[in-house]
Amino acid sequence: AQSVTQPDIHITVSEGASLELRCNYSYGATPYLFWYVQSPGQGLQLLLKYFSGDTLVQGIKGFEAEFKRSQSSFNLRKPSVHWSDAAEYFCAVAVGGTSYGKLTFGQGTILTVHP
Amino acid sequence: NAGVMQNPRHLVRRRGQEARLRCSPMKGHSHVYWYRQLPEEGLKFMVYLQKENIIDESGMPKERFSAEFPKEGPSILRIQQVVRGDSAAYFCASSPPSQNNEQFFGPGTRLTVL
Repeated sequence: AQSVTQPDIHITVSEGASLELRCNYSYGATPYLFWYVQSPGQGLQLLLKYFSGDTLVQGIKGFEAEFKRSQSSFNLRKPSVHWSDAAEYFCAVAVGGTSYGKLTFGQGTILTVHP
Repeated sequence: NAGVMQNPRHLVRRRGQEARLRCSPMKGHSHVYWYRQLPEEGLKFMVYLQKENIIDESGMPKERFSAEFPKEGPSILRIQQVVRGDSAAYFCASSPPSQNNEQFFGPGTRLTVL
């Protein structure tokens, strides 16, 4: 069964600093990969996804992620963090194929942004 | 196009009561997923449904929990005889038939069991 690990439970950065959130997955083949963001008391919003093709994926709000097959990683990055980026971030994987979409989530990384 | 809707947003039940959580998928979406988020944890898959069919319920507890997605109306997650350990946020997601792996999430229902 696939699994997702987000090694950092909590990250604190200063506004304007760069950000990288780590995600490692365990799966026999190339999975479908996702990053979601959750603000307090809210649902999840999709930031970006990787299905195939270019391994550097651009998302909303200035985020990007890079799929590295050799490292089984899909790290999320942003060059300059804004205070409004403070939230919890979840990496998720899905079994491939067009007929099944169960998502397996990591435990999440809470991002705090200092002014 | 309205997003995924869930109601109620907050639900308080006493131990032993029943909880019914509703999810209306986005227009045109025929696939519904339910996830549970316990405090301090990530989301855990519970069940995947299509209209009138349960496709995968491997994440559902064996007892007290059931889900349906009827031909008409919202999807319902039903928890009978709730216990304190059922307190959690329950999220519904939906996807269109051709893009099962891109799921759109609702705002969640936060269940508190007293």
